[in-house]
Amino acid sequence: AQSVTQLDSHVSVSEGTPVLLRCNYSSSYSPSLFWYVQHPNKGLQLLLKYTSAATLVKGINGFEAEFKKSETSFHLTKPSAHMSDAAEYFCVVRYTGTASKLTFGTGTRLQVTL
Amino acid sequence: GAGVSQSPSNKVTEKGKDVELRCDPISGHTALYWYRQSLGQGLEFLIYFQGNSAPDKSGLPSDRFSAERTGGSVSTLTIQRTQQEDSAVYLCASSFRDRGNYGYTFGSGTRLTVV
Repeated sequence: AQSVTQLDSHVSVSEGTPVLLRCNYSSSYSPSLFWYVQHPNKGLQLLLKYTSAATLVKGINGFEAEFKKSETSFHLTKPSAHMSDAAEYFCVVRYTGTASKLTFGTGTRLQVTL
Repeated sequence: GAGVSQSPSNKVTEKGKDVELRCDPISGHTALYWYRQSLGQGLEFLIYFQGNSAPDKSGLPSDRFSAERTGGSVSTLTIQRTQQEDSAVYLCASSFRDRGNYGYTFGSGTRLTVV
């Protein structure tokens, strides 16, 4: 079955320290992978996407993610957290041939402290 | 418009009443999706439109839920005889095409509360 797992429901980091949000997907041929961010009372915003081009994907606001097929992972990272990064982050997968259905992870809430 | 517009932004309704939620996608986006986000849960796929057709409606939870899209543009999600478990944020997204390499733009959602 198609699935995506976000390993941490909540992550807390200090401002200026690195961020790592983990995501694993069930193995399948040619998945498309996305990270979305949702700030409180705001809509979902696309951070970055992987679509079988470069395995290291750079997104907005300094975020990047690396597609590792051998580990079926697509972890999201940022070298230095900012207070404005506090939000809910969703790892999302779309599998080829599934008529466009996006499968969302359960989300990771990122807290950034001073 | 510049983004995906949803209305109303908030809706409180009495149990048993019908509600209609509206989604106005980005102009030119042929694909449109409805998702539901319940408290403490991830996003749940409801239905997908390509143009005015719905090739995948597998996520609609019951026959009380229906959706239509007219003119390849605006979509309406209708919930009949609402129940308390229908309370959630209903999100609409649109995409240029039915392709994974295009991003999906989400609206801000309609927060539905059934009392």
